[in-house]
Amino acid sequence: QKEVEQDPGPLSVPEGAIVSLNCTYSNSAFQYFMWYRQYSRKGPELLMYTYSSGNKEDGRFTAQVDKSSKYISLFIRDSQPSDSATYLCAMSYTGGFKTIFGAGTRLFVKA
Amino acid sequence: NAGVTQTPKFRILKIGQSMTLQCTQDMNHNYMYWYRQDPGMGLKLIYYSVGAGITDKGEVPNGYNVSRSTTEDFPLRLELAAPSQTSVYFCASSYGGEGWEKLFFGSGTQLSVL
Repeated sequence: QKEVEQDPGPLSVPEGAIVSLNCTYSNSAFQYFMWYRQYSRKGPELLMYTYSSGNKEDGRFTAQVDKSSKYISLFIRDSQPSDSATYLCAMSYTGGFKTIFGAGTRLFVKA
Repeated sequence: NAGVTQTPKFRILKIGQSMTLQCTQDMNHNYMYWYRQDPGMGLKLIYYSVGAGITDKGEVPNGYNVSRSTTEDFPLRLELAAPSQTSVYFCASSYGGEGWEKLFFGSGTQLSVL
């Protein structure tokens, strides 16, 4: 079993739709939860960062962490064609220097 | 402000050749990392460094070497290249201490070993 599981997609939605991206994990020691966005032929860029459980909102993006279920989500409201990218979930724990990444979900937003 | 800069962007190697992937950052970050990204596999940590002169192995270090003589530079050396090292390589950096987990990535080096 992988430490972090993420559906690779692809996920195709029409412009304006609400997008839900998810990851599950097995290591209960994870405390930091991140979402990175990666455009084609580019490096990942940090999109959302959450410490421990709870929700965090930034514009059209909302990150949720449910540690009891070992489940994290990223919601994108009013999706735009410019949101078309691969979204990577990532996790790490206090005292560690190693971040574990999901395989990434490829998202297409059609105009 | 350039951030994390990687060179070259593309490279084709023959089996058994060696090369160095260059990485430099101008954000005065203490921590630096090398990842490889294979299709459907996510990013795997090769090596990391928490400061000049200090390096440690990640998940997939075999076939690679690193050095960290300055805060800015963290080159990755491939000795005796093998087809299994065909991948996209990303260098990343982060602040030391609190906030270390927020990674800043370079644009990557696509390497093919034939």
